[in-house]
Amino acid sequence: AQSVTQLDSHVSVSEGTPVLLRCNYSSSYSPSLFWYVQHPNKGLQLLLKYTSAATLVKGINGFEAEFKKSETSFHLTKPSAHMSDAAEYFCVVSGNTGNQFYFGTGTSLTVIP
Amino acid sequence: GAVVSQHPSRVICKSGTSVKIECRSLDFQATTMFWYRQFPKQSLMLMATSNEGSKATYEQGVEKDKFLINHASLTLSTLTVTSAHPEDSSFYICSARDWGETQYFGPGTRLLVL
Repeated sequence: AQSVTQLDSHVSVSEGTPVLLRCNYSSSYSPSLFWYVQHPNKGLQLLLKYTSAATLVKGINGFEAEFKKSETSFHLTKPSAHMSDAAEYFCVVSGNTGNQFYFGTGTSLTVIP
Repeated sequence: GAVVSQHPSRVICKSGTSVKIECRSLDFQATTMFWYRQFPKQSLMLMATSNEGSKATYEQGVEKDKFLINHASLTLSTLTVTSAHPEDSSFYICSARDWGETQYFGPGTRLLVL
């Protein structure tokens, strides 16, 4: 069975400081992993995805994530937070057939000016 | 690329009426489309999966007669909320998948049933 745990429901950082959003997954096979961002009253935008290629994945807007199989983690990072990064972030693992997504509960990121 | 649109973005209707929401993949062919429901400050809940030309597969607890899904073409899926009631008020999001695993999400439709 697949599952995703986002360890922090809320993260607050100052503008210009690093961002770390944590995600752990459970899977009985080698999954694909995704990070999506959702701004208020908007749909989800794909930030980045891991599909068994390079373990360090670079995404849009300066975000990146590292797949660590030994730790079953896929944490999202950004060196310097911007005010526009304030949003809800979802970590997602794909199902065995690739047809279904399993969502984390989301992490709300606040950026303090 | 990989743009998904939803229409309408917001709808207010009276209790007992039906509402249709359209989901379109604008620049790719979607073999599979998904419909989600999202409650305030919560994650997305998958309602159903639809493949073009076949019946949708509904998740447990989702009434298929209430939430009618049609996937008539490789670029269009519709969700019709029949006989809507205030408890159906929610944010509905669709996504579309091409031949890979990535789902591309629409901007969502806010439904308010009075």
